[in-house]
Amino acid sequence: KAGVTQTPRYLIKTRGQQVTLSCSPISGHRSVSWYQQTPGQGLQFLFEYFSETQRNKGNFPGRFSGRQFSNSRSEMNVSTLELGDSALYLCASSFQRTGELFFGEGSRLTVL
Amino acid sequence: KQEVTQIPAALSVPEGENLVLNCSFTDSAIYNLQWFRQDPGKGLTSLLLIQSSQREQTSGRLNASLDKSSGRSTLYIAASQPGDSATYLCAVPMDSSYKLIFGSGTRLLVRP
Repeated sequence: KAGVTQTPRYLIKTRGQQVTLSCSPISGHRSVSWYQQTPGQGLQFLFEYFSETQRNKGNFPGRFSGRQFSNSRSEMNVSTLELGDSALYLCASSFQRTGELFFGEGSRLTVL
Repeated sequence: KQEVTQIPAALSVPEGENLVLNCSFTDSAIYNLQWFRQDPGKGLTSLLLIQSSQREQTSGRLNASLDKSSGRSTLYIAASQPGDSATYLCAVPMDSSYKLIFGSGTRLLVRP
């Protein structure tokens, strides 16, 4: 059974650009959540989607957005990139809410 | 507001030692607690999930316990190996959502 797949794994952008990250959950999982990991702030929750609906959103500016498709695949978008957005972005999926979370390998974003 | 703390921040042990990693949380009304492992530059690997009604869970050389009343969980690693070297994170969900609150992790080094 394939795990959580995130693409791209690495990307470099410049300030002001935008980026879209993709996440394919484990087959059968309908909940997808996103986290940002930085050395200074650790792991911080971005948002959670369940059955194409955003159920929760973390304390991030509106430049961070996401969506989930009918096949449970999810994308997150960051517009007007800032240097501080450089981070490892992790996607996680679960079969049901309050169940075990399974994470992907992450997308490493560097903003220059 | 739920806060998760992990002590120690770093630990270095010789191969073969049994060791205990600690995780404490401030709000005992948790649904579950999950332990993860993270290798450098990689995503998170789920190790153990303990439901709030459980006292402990075991997987191979790993044993995790949960004491909700005292707000503590421990991860016991038996007969440590160099391959166990990684950062270990614990996390609890924020109420009934999938918003996980993570500890800052314990960085473990097992010396050959």
